[in-house]
Amino acid sequence: AQTVTQSQPEMSVQEAETVTLSCTYDTSESDYYLFWYKQPPSRQMILVIRQEAYKQQNATENRFSVNFQKAAKSFSLKISDSQLGDAAMYFCAYRSYTGANSKLTFGKGITLSVRP
Amino acid sequence: NAGVMQNPRHLVRRRGQEARLRCSPMKGHSHVYWYRQLPEEGLKFMVYLQKENIIDESGMPKERFSAEFPKEGPSILRIQQVVRGDSAAYFCASSPVGGLTTGNTIYFGEGSWLTVV
Repeated sequence: AQTVTQSQPEMSVQEAETVTLSCTYDTSESDYYLFWYKQPPSRQMILVIRQEAYKQQNATENRFSVNFQKAAKSFSLKISDSQLGDAAMYFCAYRSYTGANSKLTFGKGITLSVRP
Repeated sequence: NAGVMQNPRHLVRRRGQEARLRCSPMKGHSHVYWYRQLPEEGLKFMVYLQKENIIDESGMPKERFSAEFPKEGPSILRIQQVVRGDSAAYFCASSPVGGLTTGNTIYFGEGSWLTVV
């Protein structure tokens, strides 16, 4: 079974600065998806960014980018130019390619606070 | 994602009552997932359904919990004889297919908050 580990329970960043959130995972599969989801105080789950394991290029979405290290099974999220609205819980998630096992497996999450 | 509709948003039940949570997936999505989030914790997978079929229920408690996704209508997560430990946020998510396709992403509803008193 796949596992996702987010070892940092909390992080803080100054507004306009850059912060990196760590995530590692364990799998025996070679093809899979990785995701970062954001959960603000409203509790809605919002997709931030997605990475396909077969792609070597790191995904980027505006101020959000990932550092995907497949051999190390590491998938960190970098938030540049942090904004107050970035304050939320962030969850790293893994999804298998295979249809019968395509559920998302989440890490425990990290609470990000942004200091004005 | 507002496309996945869950109701009710908030539900209060007394111990021993039944709770029914509904989920309408995004248009064109035939795969539904239910997750539970306890306070201060991450999301735990409960069950994965396609129309009229349960694909993976490995995360469902063995007793009192059931789920369905009928040919017509929303998916239902049913909790019988609720206990205080069932108090949690229950999230529904949907995707167009279960396996690999371009843009294969799971989208979440806004959650249903169950409080058992």
